[in-house]
Amino acid sequence: DGGITQSPKYLFRKEGQNVTLSCEQNLNHDAMYWYRQDPGQGLRLIYYSQIVNDFQKGDIAEGYSVSREKKESFPLTVTSAQKNPTAFYLCASQGLSGNTEAFFGQGTRLTVV
Amino acid sequence: AQSVTQPDIHITVSEGASLELRCNYSYGATPYLFWYVQSPGQGLQLLLKYFSGDTLVQGIKGFEAEFKRSQSSFNLRKPSVHWSDAAEYFCAVGARQAGTALIFGKGTTLSVSS
Repeated sequence: DGGITQSPKYLFRKEGQNVTLSCEQNLNHDAMYWYRQDPGQGLRLIYYSQIVNDFQKGDIAEGYSVSREKKESFPLTVTSAQKNPTAFYLCASQGLSGNTEAFFGQGTRLTVV
Repeated sequence: AQSVTQPDIHITVSEGASLELRCNYSYGATPYLFWYVQSPGQGLQLLLKYFSGDTLVQGIKGFEAEFKRSQSSFNLRKPSVHWSDAAEYFCAVGARQAGTALIFGKGTTLSVSS
């Protein structure tokens, strides 16, 4: 089945540690996105990529980094510079041809302990 | 500035009653419009979308939405709510340029009472 897979579903991190969230898609989509979700805040864009080896900052990129070495993969690293990393992270992908919506993964809940 | 406003943070509806969730947007041009639904701890599922044509669009699970250009609105409706509809609902807008990230409202939480 085609879709987006985020792993792990739950992640615990100690303060001061970097952690990487995985996002893989087999929909052959060119564009991929990372959103952060906090209660009552909706979804806020962290980073997005329209093509391999290229990505752009979203509204809240500070303390995060990404890479896009393969079309299928768009991992997000939450660095120790992110002041408040505890949140629900959602990855999405979208085709660039025709009228298409964004498809979402099931999310990763990151908790800093 | 581009934005999406969902005025109602939380709505409670009796099972079997009708539902309308409001969405207003501010955008430079006519955008693409979407409604997504999210169950707790899950990802977002697309309910329906508007790209062009008929301004009343039908979606999954018996939902529909109407695009009103003059009011910059895209309200979601359902004639008879089921207990399983309890979830969080997000309105989103996107540019007609492919690959532009969607902008989301802050969501409306729907509770269904028996």
